[in-house]
Amino acid sequence: GIQVEQSPPDLILQEGANSTLRCNFSDSVNNLQWFHQNPWGQLINLFYIPSGTKQNGRLSATTVATERYSLLYISSSQTTDSGVYFCAGWGLWGRGGADGLTFGKGTHLIIQP
Amino acid sequence: DAGITQSPRHKVTETGTPVTLRCHQTENHRYMYWYRQDPGHGLRLIHYSYGVKDTDKGEVSDGYSVSRSKTEDFLLTLESATSSQTSVYFCAISGANEKLFFGSGTQLSVL
Repeated sequence: GIQVEQSPPDLILQEGANSTLRCNFSDSVNNLQWFHQNPWGQLINLFYIPSGTKQNGRLSATTVATERYSLLYISSSQTTDSGVYFCAGWGLWGRGGADGLTFGKGTHLIIQP
Repeated sequence: DAGITQSPRHKVTETGTPVTLRCHQTENHRYMYWYRQDPGHGLRLIHYSYGVKDTDKGEVSDGYSVSRSKTEDFLLTLESATSSQTSVYFCAISGANEKLFFGSGTQLSVL
């Protein structure tokens, strides 16, 4: 299956700062998505972004499918942005849903007041 | 937010006992998944379903079985729980647009 590498693994920022999280895939992927797991463990889907750029409030994401990477931008960070950010996808040449989404190990983000 | 309910939210059981976790959705989505989340391993797929009575194995299916008798319900069974199955279990659903939504999770401890 595909490998998903996320960077940085940990990030500590002050409230109001901007950040960029990166996700690299070992092979071409379909169905690329970004998730946020809050400190209470809930997993929220942020973006479904197989290619191109999308924005949702202070968050935006860009996927360059031909280069096999995706970026998540967080602007004007707030303490509620703390948690773990995961990217996930399934390999273009895999079994699709039967493989499930392959997840990276996440970026642990802490926003300090 | 997607309508996904997992039950129970927490469970403590003993090694060797059977355990069933339930996932119920109100979205009428075709695809349903069971994942487990463990430190150092991230989220890994256990089983998934692509329709009523249609299921398939994921990456870490050994020791688990599933059933889907109705569109809205997807059950995960540990026939004989082991300590290595202590984990947080997440149910997820997706529809035609493939966007994945997670339930709130079940914290399972096997003593």
